Amino acid sequence: ELKVEQNPLFLSMQEGKNYTIYCNYSTTSDRLYWYRQDPGKSLESLFVLLSNGAVKQEGRLMASLDTKARLSTLHITAAVHDLSATYFCAVVPNDMRFGAGTRLTVKP
Amino acid sequence: NAGVTQTPKFRILKIGQSMTLQCTQDMNHNYMYWYRQDPGMGLKLIYYSVGAGITDKGEVPNGYNVSRSTTEDFPLRLELAAPSQTSVYFCASNLQGPTGELFFGEGSRLTVL
Repeated sequence: ELKVEQNPLFLSMQEGKNYTIYCNYSTTSDRLYWYRQDPGKSLESLFVLLSNGAVKQEGRLMASLDTKARLSTLHITAAVHDLSATYFCAVVPNDMRFGAGTRLTVKP
Repeated sequence: NAGVTQTPKFRILKIGQSMTLQCTQDMNHNYMYWYRQDPGMGLKLIYYSVGAGITDKGEVPNGYNVSRSTTEDFPLRLELAAPSQTSVYFCASNLQGPTGELFFGEGSRLTVL
């Protein structure tokens, strides 16, 4: 059975701190997505990682992919309140399969 | 540009009732999808469509039906609603197919009592 495991599931951070969210998956996938969901809102695509070693950055978020380890990370640098949201990773063996999400809260 | 529009945003049903969640997109995407999101869980695919007249089951299709008569519209029907169908439902669409970036609607929160 395909597993997409994110950890932590809940993360409370102080503004200005750094942290990493991890996404492990159990099957081959030629790409990996990260989505953001604000409370009560829809999901929006943040990154798509297409190959082993791929790294993408936007603002305070940086995502990377290690296809050999079946691991992706989403690193948060100097967190700000606006980053508070739930972050999902998703892999695509045949169709898109999502992790359970990491609910991030950034406190002043 | 509206993107993906879902209605209704909220609905309460009694056990055994039926209803249809509407989804329409104006991006001329061939592929459309219905997902459900349960608390603490990722999204699970219910049904998808590769174009008008063509639909297929996803991971959790039981208790649901879909149709795709036009490129724009992809309604999801719940027959004989059950408490297990209490969830948030998201419609999505894209051009590339099941492995491509998804564009989501804002969701429909359904409660079955």
